[in-house]
Amino acid sequence: SYEVTQPHSLSVAPGQTARLPCEGTNIEIKNVHWYQQRPGQAPVLAIYRDSYRPSGIPERFSASNAGNTATLTIARVQPGDEADYFCQVWDNNTALFGGGTKLTVL
Amino acid sequence: QVQLVQSGAEVKKPGSSVKVSCKTSGGTFSNYAFSWVRQAPGQGLEWVGGIIPMFGSTNHAQKFQGRVTISADKSTNTAYMELSNLTPEDTAVFYCARGVGTSWGVGWYCDLWGRGTLVTVSS
Repeated sequence: SYEVTQPHSLSVAPGQTARLPCEGTNIEIKNVHWYQQRPGQAPVLAIYRDSYRPSGIPERFSASNAGNTATLTIARVQPGDEADYFCQVWDNNTALFGGGTKLTVL
Repeated sequence: QVQLVQSGAEVKKPGSSVKVSCKTSGGTFSNYAFSWVRQAPGQGLEWVGGIIPMFGSTNHAQKFQGRVTISADKSTNTAYMELSNLTPEDTAVFYCARGVGTSWGVGWYCDLWGRGTLVTVSS
Protein backbone atom coordinates (compact mmCIF):
# COMPACT_ATOMS: atom_id res chain seq x y z
CA SER A 1 0.00 0.00 0.00
CA TYR A 2 1.05 3.57 -0.61
CA GLU A 3 2.79 5.51 2.16
CA VAL A 4 3.78 9.13 2.67
CA THR A 5 6.63 9.94 5.03
CA GLN A 6 7.42 13.14 6.88
CA PRO A 7 10.27 13.93 9.28
CA HIS A 8 9.08 13.95 12.85
CA SER A 9 10.39 17.40 13.66
CA LEU A 10 12.11 20.49 12.29
CA SER A 11 13.48 23.52 14.10
CA VAL A 12 13.93 26.91 12.48
CA ALA A 13 14.94 30.33 13.78
CA PRO A 14 12.54 33.23 13.31
CA GLY A 15 12.94 34.92 9.96
CA GLN A 16 14.47 31.86 8.33
CA THR A 17 12.90 29.56 5.75
CA ALA A 18 11.40 26.20 6.72
CA ARG A 19 11.18 23.44 4.15
CA LEU A 20 9.02 20.49 5.15
CA PRO A 21 9.26 17.41 2.92
CA CYS A 22 6.63 14.77 2.28
CA GLU A 23 8.00 11.70 0.54
CA GLY A 24 6.22 9.01 -1.41
CA THR A 25 6.91 6.88 -4.44
CA ASN A 26 6.31 9.00 -7.54
CA ILE A 27 4.27 11.38 -5.43
CA GLU A 28 4.42 13.94 -8.23
CA ILE A 29 1.50 12.21 -9.99
CA LYS A 30 -0.72 12.75 -6.97
CA ASN A 31 -2.41 15.86 -5.62
CA VAL A 32 -0.79 16.73 -2.30
CA HIS A 33 -2.64 18.75 0.31
CA TRP A 34 -1.13 20.30 3.44
CA TYR A 35 -2.74 21.00 6.80
CA GLN A 36 -1.51 23.09 9.71
CA GLN A 37 -2.53 22.11 13.21
CA ARG A 38 -1.69 24.41 16.08
CA PRO A 39 -1.70 22.91 19.59
CA GLY A 40 -5.19 22.22 20.87
CA GLN A 41 -6.85 23.25 17.63
CA ALA A 42 -8.43 21.55 14.64
CA PRO A 43 -6.39 21.27 11.45
CA VAL A 44 -6.53 24.08 8.91
CA LEU A 45 -6.01 23.71 5.17
CA ALA A 46 -2.72 25.40 4.27
CA ILE A 47 -2.11 24.28 0.67
CA TYR A 48 -4.27 22.27 -1.74
CA ARG A 49 -3.56 20.51 -5.03
CA ASP A 50 0.21 20.73 -4.65
CA SER A 51 0.62 24.48 -4.62
CA TYR A 52 -2.63 26.42 -4.25
CA ARG A 53 -3.03 28.62 -1.21
CA PRO A 54 -6.51 29.10 0.32
CA SER A 55 -7.66 32.58 1.17
CA GLY A 56 -6.44 33.59 4.59
CA ILE A 57 -3.16 31.70 4.35
CA PRO A 58 -0.18 34.07 4.19
CA GLU A 59 1.81 34.36 0.97
CA ARG A 60 4.81 33.17 2.96
CA PHE A 61 3.37 29.67 2.56
CA SER A 62 4.13 27.91 -0.72
CA ALA A 63 4.55 24.33 -1.89
CA SER A 64 5.80 22.19 -4.75
CA ASN A 65 5.63 18.59 -5.84
CA ALA A 66 8.23 16.84 -8.01
CA GLY A 67 9.62 13.34 -8.27
CA ASN A 68 9.25 11.53 -4.97
CA THR A 69 9.01 14.60 -2.76
CA ALA A 70 6.41 17.26 -2.12
CA THR A 71 7.65 20.24 -0.13
CA LEU A 72 5.89 22.85 1.97
CA THR A 73 7.97 26.01 2.25
CA ILE A 74 7.38 28.67 4.87
CA ALA A 75 9.38 31.83 4.30
CA ARG A 76 10.27 34.30 7.04
CA VAL A 77 9.09 31.96 9.76
CA GLN A 78 7.23 33.55 12.66
CA PRO A 79 6.51 32.23 16.17
CA GLY A 80 2.86 31.77 15.16
CA ASP A 81 3.90 29.23 12.54
CA GLU A 82 4.86 26.78 15.26
CA ALA A 83 2.53 23.84 14.64
CA ASP A 84 2.23 20.33 13.29
CA TYR A 85 2.06 20.07 9.52
CA PHE A 86 0.49 17.11 7.76
CA CYS A 87 0.63 16.21 4.08
CA GLN A 88 -2.20 14.19 2.59
CA VAL A 89 -2.79 12.31 -0.66
CA TRP A 90 -5.38 9.95 -2.08
CA ASP A 91 -4.58 6.42 -3.12
CA ASN A 92 -6.96 3.65 -4.12
CA ASN A 93 -10.01 5.72 -3.14
CA THR A 94 -8.73 6.35 0.37
CA ALA A 95 -7.09 9.34 2.00
CA LEU A 96 -3.61 8.96 3.48
CA PHE A 97 -1.94 11.35 5.88
CA GLY A 98 1.73 11.60 6.54
CA GLY A 99 2.79 11.25 10.14
CA GLY A 100 3.23 14.99 10.45
CA THR A 101 6.17 17.31 11.10
CA LYS A 102 6.32 19.32 14.28
CA LEU A 103 7.76 22.73 13.38
CA THR A 104 9.48 24.45 16.27
CA VAL A 105 10.39 28.11 16.01
CA LEU A 106 13.53 28.62 18.08
CA GLN B 1 -20.26 31.94 8.17
CA VAL B 2 -20.24 28.26 7.42
CA GLN B 3 -19.42 25.97 10.32
CA LEU B 4 -19.30 22.27 10.99
CA VAL B 5 -20.94 21.68 14.35
CA GLN B 6 -20.02 18.37 15.92
CA SER B 7 -21.76 16.55 18.73
CA GLY B 8 -20.35 16.60 22.24
CA ALA B 9 -17.78 14.47 24.00
CA GLU B 10 -18.63 10.87 24.73
CA VAL B 11 -17.46 8.33 27.31
CA LYS B 12 -18.04 4.74 26.29
CA LYS B 13 -17.44 1.25 27.65
CA PRO B 14 -15.30 -1.24 25.74
CA GLY B 15 -17.40 -3.21 23.29
CA SER B 16 -19.99 -0.49 22.86
CA SER B 17 -20.61 1.87 19.93
CA VAL B 18 -20.48 5.61 19.44
CA LYS B 19 -22.22 7.77 16.85
CA VAL B 20 -20.83 11.23 16.18
CA SER B 21 -22.73 13.85 14.22
CA CYS B 22 -21.54 16.77 12.13
CA LYS B 23 -24.03 19.42 11.05
CA THR B 24 -23.25 21.97 8.37
CA SER B 25 -24.47 25.32 9.60
CA GLY B 26 -24.83 28.32 7.33
CA GLY B 27 -23.94 26.71 4.04
CA THR B 28 -24.72 24.10 1.45
CA PHE B 29 -24.29 20.41 2.17
CA SER B 30 -24.84 18.17 -0.82
CA ASN B 31 -22.25 19.87 -3.04
CA TYR B 32 -19.43 18.55 -0.87
CA ALA B 33 -17.88 15.37 0.39
CA PHE B 34 -17.13 14.72 4.03
CA SER B 35 -14.24 12.99 5.72
CA TRP B 36 -13.96 11.63 9.23
CA VAL B 37 -10.47 11.83 10.71
CA ARG B 38 -9.25 10.35 13.99
CA GLN B 39 -6.47 11.73 16.16
CA ALA B 40 -5.37 9.70 19.15
CA PRO B 41 -3.74 11.60 22.04
CA GLY B 42 -0.37 12.95 20.95
CA GLN B 43 -0.62 11.25 17.58
CA GLY B 44 -1.15 12.25 13.97
CA LEU B 45 -4.18 12.37 11.73
CA GLU B 46 -5.78 9.15 10.52
CA TRP B 47 -8.51 8.98 7.90
CA VAL B 48 -11.43 6.87 9.07
CA GLY B 49 -13.68 7.20 6.05
CA GLY B 50 -15.79 9.50 3.97
CA ILE B 51 -19.09 10.08 2.25
CA ILE B 52 -20.29 11.90 -0.83
CA PRO B 53 -23.89 12.81 0.12
CA MET B 54 -24.78 13.74 -3.47
CA PHE B 55 -24.32 10.12 -4.50
CA GLY B 56 -24.81 8.47 -1.13
CA SER B 57 -21.52 6.63 -1.58
CA THR B 58 -19.15 5.86 1.26
CA ASN B 59 -15.71 4.43 1.74
CA HIS B 60 -13.46 3.79 4.71
CA ALA B 61 -9.93 2.85 5.62
CA GLN B 62 -9.28 -0.86 5.63
CA LYS B 63 -8.39 -0.97 9.32
CA PHE B 64 -11.95 0.06 10.22
CA GLN B 65 -13.54 -2.57 8.03
CA GLY B 66 -16.61 -4.03 9.70
CA ARG B 67 -16.65 -1.44 12.52
CA VAL B 68 -17.47 1.89 10.90
CA THR B 69 -20.67 3.18 9.35
CA ILE B 70 -20.73 6.58 7.70
CA SER B 71 -24.00 8.16 6.69
CA ALA B 72 -25.61 11.49 5.90
CA ASP B 73 -29.04 13.08 6.20
CA LYS B 74 -29.46 15.65 3.45
CA SER B 75 -32.68 16.92 5.02
CA THR B 76 -30.77 18.13 8.09
CA ASN B 77 -27.37 18.77 6.47
CA THR B 78 -25.79 16.32 8.88
CA ALA B 79 -23.14 13.67 8.44
CA TYR B 80 -22.66 10.81 10.88
CA MET B 81 -19.91 8.37 11.83
CA GLU B 82 -20.67 5.35 13.94
CA LEU B 83 -17.84 3.19 15.28
CA SER B 84 -18.65 -0.09 16.94
CA ASN B 85 -16.87 -2.64 19.13
CA LEU B 86 -14.88 0.13 20.80
CA THR B 87 -11.60 -0.56 22.61
CA PRO B 88 -9.47 1.79 24.74
CA GLU B 89 -7.26 2.22 21.66
CA ASP B 90 -10.15 4.05 20.01
CA THR B 91 -9.84 6.88 22.52
CA ALA B 92 -9.31 9.90 20.32
CA VAL B 93 -10.65 13.14 18.94
CA PHE B 94 -12.77 12.54 15.87
CA TYR B 95 -12.96 15.36 13.34
CA CYS B 96 -15.37 15.80 10.51
CA ALA B 97 -14.10 17.82 7.59
CA ARG B 98 -15.77 19.16 4.47
CA GLY B 99 -14.21 18.01 1.25
CA VAL B 100 -14.01 19.97 -1.98
CA GLY B 101 -14.49 17.40 -4.71
CA THR B 102 -16.93 14.61 -5.42
CA SER B 103 -14.76 11.90 -6.93
CA TRP B 104 -13.30 8.94 -5.08
CA GLY B 105 -10.61 8.52 -7.68
CA VAL B 106 -9.21 12.02 -7.40
CA GLY B 107 -10.33 12.52 -3.86
CA TRP B 108 -10.72 15.87 -2.20
CA TYR B 109 -9.08 18.39 0.07
CA CYS B 110 -10.71 19.44 3.32
CA ASP B 111 -11.30 23.16 3.43
CA LEU B 112 -13.39 23.28 6.61
CA TRP B 113 -13.04 21.27 9.81
CA GLY B 114 -15.21 20.79 12.84
CA ARG B 115 -13.78 21.37 16.31
CA GLY B 116 -13.61 17.66 16.99
CA THR B 117 -15.42 15.26 19.28
CA LEU B 118 -13.47 13.54 22.05
CA VAL B 119 -14.43 9.91 22.45
CA THR B 120 -13.05 8.23 25.56
CA VAL B 121 -13.27 4.46 25.86
CA SER B 122 -12.78 3.21 29.38
CA SER B 123 -14.15 0.54 31.64
